[in-house]
Amino acid sequence: EVQLVQSGAEVKKPGESLQISCQGSGYDFANSWIAWVRQLPGKGLEWMGTIYPGDSDTTYSPSFQGQVTMSADKSINTAYLQWSSLKASDTAMYYCARRVSAHYFFDFWGQGTLVTVSS
Amino acid sequence: DIQMTQSPSTLSASIGDRVTITCRASQSISRWLVWYQQKPGKAPKLLIYEASILESGVPSRFSGSGSGTEFTLTISSLQPDDFATYSCQQYNSYPWTFGLGTKVEIK
Repeated sequence: EVQLVQSGAEVKKPGESLQISCQGSGYDFANSWIAWVRQLPGKGLEWMGTIYPGDSDTTYSPSFQGQVTMSADKSINTAYLQWSSLKASDTAMYYCARRVSAHYFFDFWGQGTLVTVSS
Repeated sequence: DIQMTQSPSTLSASIGDRVTITCRASQSISRWLVWYQQKPGKAPKLLIYEASILESGVPSRFSGSGSGTEFTLTISSLQPDDFATYSCQQYNSYPWTFGLGTKVEIK
């Protein structure tokens, strides 16, 4: 069974750093792209970027380029999303999702990680 | 970026109703469109890809159609489990973009 399990909710202050994780199981994690998707409170979904754990090849949405860093450790089937300096506007639910091979949509999703940034 | 516009934003319907949701793209995306279902506090679930292909395990009361710039998701007979928010996503052109969602509520 394909599963993506994300790390737990985080509460941070503006300016702090943060890394959240997404661990895959039940499939060839290294050879399947993982995407990160943001959902602001009460809003729609936004594709942030995608990473290929096999070689850490990464593509960022222009809206998120330079704002976050994606990485992966294929030895432990885990992808990461990192912020170096959080802003209140980063408060959102963040999902990881597996990209369907040869296409750019997502068939399995993690349960989401809620990030709250507040002073 | 390709803008995806869904209508209506909210839809009130009863059990057994036929429901249609529309998604319009700001430029042609051929048939490179998916539909997701999302329930409160849950992750999105893939329903339909390539505009009309039902994902494995999705009930046949769901169907999709369209090409170019206009697409529809139809639920032939609304069931209690179908009350949720439905979002479209284009995967024709980078960056991949989503609609804002249509919330299907109980009438």
